[in-house]
Amino acid sequence: LAKTTQPISMDSYEGQEVNITCSHNNIATNDYITWYQQFPSQGPRFIIQGYKTKVTNEVASLFIPADRKSSTLSLPRVSLSDTAVYYCLVGRGSSNTGKLIFGQGTTLQVKP
Amino acid sequence: EAGVTQFPSHSVIEKGQTVTLRCDPISGHDNLYWYRRVMGKEIKFLLHFVKESKQDESGMPNNRFLAERTGGTYSTLKVQPAELEDSGVYFCASSRNRENTEAFFGQGTRLTVV
Repeated sequence: LAKTTQPISMDSYEGQEVNITCSHNNIATNDYITWYQQFPSQGPRFIIQGYKTKVTNEVASLFIPADRKSSTLSLPRVSLSDTAVYYCLVGRGSSNTGKLIFGQGTTLQVKP
Repeated sequence: EAGVTQFPSHSVIEKGQTVTLRCDPISGHDNLYWYRRVMGKEIKFLLHFVKESKQDESGMPNNRFLAERTGGTYSTLKVQPAELEDSGVYFCASSRNRENTEAFFGQGTRLTVV
């Protein structure tokens, strides 16, 4: 399973766009890139998943360059309630058992 | 649709005692996972059930931990006897299939061993 590297923490202000970049140099051909969000005292929550190029849903966008060695989670116009830990995970190809490998995540602090 | 539920939400036990954690996955989800986070560390995989069968238990720390999923519905994770280093938050997650990375997590059980 590919190892991921992401910033430990980030600060932002309400209304700004936040971009969190994750490096995954050893990503395998059949690996997907997935982001989870975790609030204090809760379990992680799936945000978005992608394989290549760009994926967008009602919560976020995920940008993946052609070499797939990195990815960027983009949160448009963050609010205080977006303060959480964001995890980048790589894996879950068809040959994978499905277990998730969490890194330390990025703690995003949104300020008023 | 009910989410993944875990019971209890908190448990405080003395070293040497036994504790059993329960997880009810989302109905219809064959895949059930246990994870835990000990203080200051990352969330770590413990094991994976497909229905009632253990698919991968490579993350179980030692034989004091026993997970079961009789009937392929809810699962229990028993720690016996509990040690101080077992303190942490235990998460359960379920997914419909293992190729889909969208696993749904419960709120977790915070276990404190004193």
